[in-house]
Amino acid sequence: SAVISQKPSRDICQRGTSLTIQCQVDSQVTMMFWYRQQPGQSLTLIATANQGSEATYESGFVIDKFPISRPNLTFSTLTVSNMSPEDSSIYLCSVAKSSPVSYEQYFGPGTRLTVT
Amino acid sequence: QKEVEQNSGPLSVPEGAIASLNCTYSDRGSQSFFWYRQYSGKSPELIMFIYSNGDKEDGRFTAQLNKASQYVSLLIRDSQPSDSATYLCAVTRLPSSGTYKYIFGTGTRLKVLA
Repeated sequence: SAVISQKPSRDICQRGTSLTIQCQVDSQVTMMFWYRQQPGQSLTLIATANQGSEATYESGFVIDKFPISRPNLTFSTLTVSNMSPEDSSIYLCSVAKSSPVSYEQYFGPGTRLTVT
Repeated sequence: QKEVEQNSGPLSVPEGAIASLNCTYSDRGSQSFFWYRQYSGKSPELIMFIYSNGDKEDGRFTAQLNKASQYVSLLIRDSQPSDSATYLCAVTRLPSSGTYKYIFGTGTRLKVLA
């Protein structure tokens, strides 16, 4: 498995500001992902954080709104820029670790963001 | 058609019974299949995964995969109230872009009644 920490665990932010969420994993991993989960909904993949290159964004998510950094194989940040109340959600970092037959994905504890 | 489909539930079972959670997927190229448990207010935790046809058992949990029918299920034996949670099915594939992806279903809410 993997031990993943996220900071902050929760925050309340004002409209128009930005928040950077940090994700730290206890071992080197090839793949790191950022998800969003609205209350009562399933997971929506925002992007794959690539080490040493630009993140790969899913449809509906853009770099200007959700810039991502991945400076090494154990750390990544997600910034939610120019926030609006619609950005209120839980943001989850995850990592995929290789096993003999597949990649197993593990999630961090999440960051609960409220935008007022 | 959604790529991964689950009945949202809630699925209610009495304590001690077998809970059966089902998931269908649309992409025949899907390679591995995962089950996650998510308690309210918590992040998803990996229960088990399966990649070949048949059954895979881990404690009270059994995952079943039928690639011909594009169907994967999770059985929970001797269900306990602590099993009450949302269960997420996920499949993986390697698309032509080369970026490994997980596709999640919307989850089935399970309620185990004491």
